[in-house]
Amino acid sequence: EAQVTQNPRYLITVTGKKLTVTCSQNMNHEYMSWYRQDPGLGLRQIYYSMNVEVTDKGDVPEGYKVSRKEKRNFPLILESPSPNQTSLYFCASSLWSQNAYEQYFGPGTRLTVT
Amino acid sequence: EDKVVQSPLSLVVHEGDTVTLNCSYEVTNFRSLLWYKQEKKAPTFLFMLTSSGIEKKSGRLSSILDKKELFSILNITATQTGDSAVYLCAVVRGAQKLVFGQGTRLTINP
Repeated sequence: EAQVTQNPRYLITVTGKKLTVTCSQNMNHEYMSWYRQDPGLGLRQIYYSMNVEVTDKGDVPEGYKVSRKEKRNFPLILESPSPNQTSLYFCASSLWSQNAYEQYFGPGTRLTVT
Repeated sequence: EDKVVQSPLSLVVHEGDTVTLNCSYEVTNFRSLLWYKQEKKAPTFLFMLTSSGIEKKSGRLSSILDKKELFSILNITATQTGDSAVYLCAVVRGAQKLVFGQGTRLTINP
């Protein structure tokens, strides 16, 4: 089954404790992206990757890191989480074409930083 | 600053009604506009629009893009309770960056 998986689905952590949220897709998609969703602010793009070893910042990259060592995986790293990073996080992937694409979203990771 | 604005933010109608959701945008280097439906958790893809005036249709849902006036509409006819969701509009711009609108929360009452 074609899908995007994220782990963990729920996480409660404390300020400053490094964490990684994993994202994996089995559709051989070139493009992968991370978003956060907050009430009243909608979805905002954190980082995206157009292929292996190619990553770029979205609109809200501060406090986050990513890596793309393999095509199927795109982990999101919070080196020193803070309470303002409490949010619902989505990973998404798509085929990349010159003008447009549709994205498949993972189930989401709800992160709480205390 | 790039922005995508959806209206209304919330809409409540009766089953069987027809609804129109709006999405206007101001972005640099526009590439395409996407519509998603978000029920409980992850958004699911509905439409991708790249050219003006060409209607995309899927069952009771349809959408059209106007690149001159910088907006898109999503129509749902003969609404059903299963159409209740948040509908998200997103614009793909420049180097494959996406900007999302705030979403329209649609509630269909039986």
